[in-house]
Amino acid sequence: SQQGEEDPQALSIQEGENATMNCSYKTSINNLQWYRQNSGRGLVHLILIRSNEREKHSGRLRVTLDTSKKSSSLLITASRAADTASYFCATDAARETGTASKLTFGTGTRLQVTL
Amino acid sequence: DTEVTQTPKHLVMGMTNKKSLKCEQHMGHRAMYWYKQKAKKPPELMFVYSYEKLSINESVPSRFSPECPNSSLLNLHLHALQPEDSALYLCASSQVWGNSNQPQHFGDGTRLSIL
Repeated sequence: SQQGEEDPQALSIQEGENATMNCSYKTSINNLQWYRQNSGRGLVHLILIRSNEREKHSGRLRVTLDTSKKSSSLLITASRAADTASYFCATDAARETGTASKLTFGTGTRLQVTL
Repeated sequence: DTEVTQTPKHLVMGMTNKKSLKCEQHMGHRAMYWYKQKAKKPPELMFVYSYEKLSINESVPSRFSPECPNSSLLNLHLHALQPEDSALYLCASSQVWGNSNQPQHFGDGTRLSIL
């Protein structure tokens, strides 16, 4: 079952602008991850933030996590046309050491970056 | 190019056919996953294999039968599918969770159409 809700569902911005996507989830997590999916392709991992972290950066990406509010945000700065894709948050629930992860994906945000 | 290879890329089959989807990775990952993704929806977990053993079955109908012959290969055998099973089927792999959290690596999927 889907756990995360993302907003907005769709976002259209111009190249050079910043894009912010939000994710909310319902249960305790081990970590939260963000993935990108280009049309007709598989998902590509962008960034992972652990439950004991509050902010993380990777290039033009900035992720925040607020476990008290069960929410996360993804900021893409200085967007480019190539950033056009769907973005999904995914939560990895707490589990035992040595076991495989079990991701539950949010509903996704479709980002359109125009020239 | 992704490090997880899925074949075929497209598959059209009738409801009485038997077919198989294949997934291969050579990253030494010991966890492998099958997801189903409908259009404009997030991926939904179907099965998880950990060390070649089925560890999670998300109440998937028996017309889907997974198989993990070795640590690099994952198959999904299909039989007597229904039109609502038409979707993108994604395979992913990851390290098994130990002292660090690891992301999942996705293939580009098999787009399945049931006539």
